[in-house]
Amino acid sequence: DIQMTQSPSSLSASVGDRVTITCRASQGIGDDLGWYQQKPGKAPKRLIYTASRLQSGVPSRFSGSASGTEFTLTISSLQPEDFATYHCLQHNTYPLTFGPGTKVDIK
Amino acid sequence: EVQLVESGGGLVQPGGSLRLSCVASGFTFADHYVDWIRQAPGKGLEWVGRNRNKANGGTTEYAASVKGRFTMTRDDSKNSVYMQMNSLKAEDTAVYYCTRTSPTGLHALEIWGHGTMVTVSS
Repeated sequence: DIQMTQSPSSLSASVGDRVTITCRASQGIGDDLGWYQQKPGKAPKRLIYTASRLQSGVPSRFSGSASGTEFTLTISSLQPEDFATYHCLQHNTYPLTFGPGTKVDIK
Repeated sequence: EVQLVESGGGLVQPGGSLRLSCVASGFTFADHYVDWIRQAPGKGLEWVGRNRNKANGGTTEYAASVKGRFTMTRDDSKNSVYMQMNSLKAEDTAVYYCTRTSPTGLHALEIWGHGTMVTVSS
C-alpha cells in the first residue's frame, strides 16, 4: 500500500498567516492527489484535485503544488473559517490512502 | 443540487449485519463510481471500497480490512448504491460516507454525503 505521511500533524496560526501543509507519498502517484478540509461533525470537502487544481467555489487563497512525491497545500492568508483539519488523499493506486490529517487551530 | 444521502446506520452487535444505502440526486448517477469512506471516532479517513458504474464493468474494489465481509451493489434505476456489511467487528465502528468519483479518475471523491454512523457493540 502507498503510505501518505503528512506534516505537521497540527499547527496553531493566526488570522492572516500563511500556512503550508505537506504530504509525502511512499512511491510515485503522478498528480493523483487531492486535498480535503473537514470541520468537526461535518463531511470532508474537496479543495484541490490533481495536486494543483482548485475545486470550483473554493477561495483562491487555497493552492496546491507538487514536486515528485511531495505535495503541498498552501493557505495564503488564513481566515477564521479555515480552522479545520486538512487531509490529503492519493487515488493513483488501490487501496486509496489518506494522510493522517493536519489540524489547524487558532493561536 | 448535487447530493448524496446515506442511511442505514445504527447499533449492531459484534458478528451482526447492517446494510447501508447511498442515494444520489442532481446528476447522472449511472455515469459515476461510488466510493465508501469511513472515519472511526477521533480518527482519520479510511477508504473502504469502490463500486464502478456499469459502463466500466460494474465491478468493485475493497480495502483488505473489509474484503470478504462487505459487499457493494448498485441500482441505477433508484440512483442508489448499497453496502452490505456482515460479520461486523468493533473496529468497524465509524461514520460511513459515500462519495462520487468520475471514471476518468480526475474527480475522485469529489462529492460527499453527510455520513451515517455505525456502532458495533454488545
